[in-house]
Amino acid sequence: DVKVTQSSRYLVKRTGEKVFLECVQDMDHENMFWYRQDPGLGLRLIYFSYDVKMKEKGDIPEGYSVSREKKERFSLILESASTNQTSMYLCASRPTGTNLYEQYFGPGTRLTVT
Amino acid sequence: SQKIEQNSEALNIQEGKTATLTCNYTNYSPAYLQWYRQDPGRGPVFLLLIRENEKEKRKERLKVTFDTTLKQSLFHITASQPADSATYLCALDIVETSGSRLTFGEGTQLTVNP
Repeated sequence: DVKVTQSSRYLVKRTGEKVFLECVQDMDHENMFWYRQDPGLGLRLIYFSYDVKMKEKGDIPEGYSVSREKKERFSLILESASTNQTSMYLCASRPTGTNLYEQYFGPGTRLTVT
Repeated sequence: SQKIEQNSEALNIQEGKTATLTCNYTNYSPAYLQWYRQDPGRGPVFLLLIRENEKEKRKERLKVTFDTTLKQSLFHITASQPADSATYLCALDIVETSGSRLTFGEGTQLTVNP
């Protein structure tokens, strides 16, 4: 079974701190994604990556950056955390190919910025 | 602007009835559409995928329809059970030159009462 793991289930950080959220997948998927999920706003794409060292901005990249140094790992970085970044963060992965593939999600990290 | 809309209200039904969830979209031309289930505090889990040239897809008690003229997908759960209570998300699969990405609706919260 595909497994996507995230480094923390719950995280509490202070305003201004640099925050790293780590995501690892074990199925050699090319594509990886970071979303945030907020009540009434649904899942919104922050950044995604189609391959190692590649990154693309999603719909709400402001205040975030990413790193993909290895195929299995995709990190989301909050350079200077703010209270409006309090949210549930979800990582996902997906293979590339001519077949149609679903997306596999991690369990999520609930981040609170105080 | 591009928009994906699911049932605006939460859905409450009695056990044994059929639940019907809607997903409408504007200003998209998705190649595929997917449905996911999400339980509280967890990441979404893939349920079904339907192509633009398919009218209907079934999997056990689940049925999905896709009408590209109406720009609508319907998701049915027949003989519903309390265990079907969850939030259901539709996602449009937008194919781009470098790959594809999913754009999600806000989700519909379904409660099946015993």
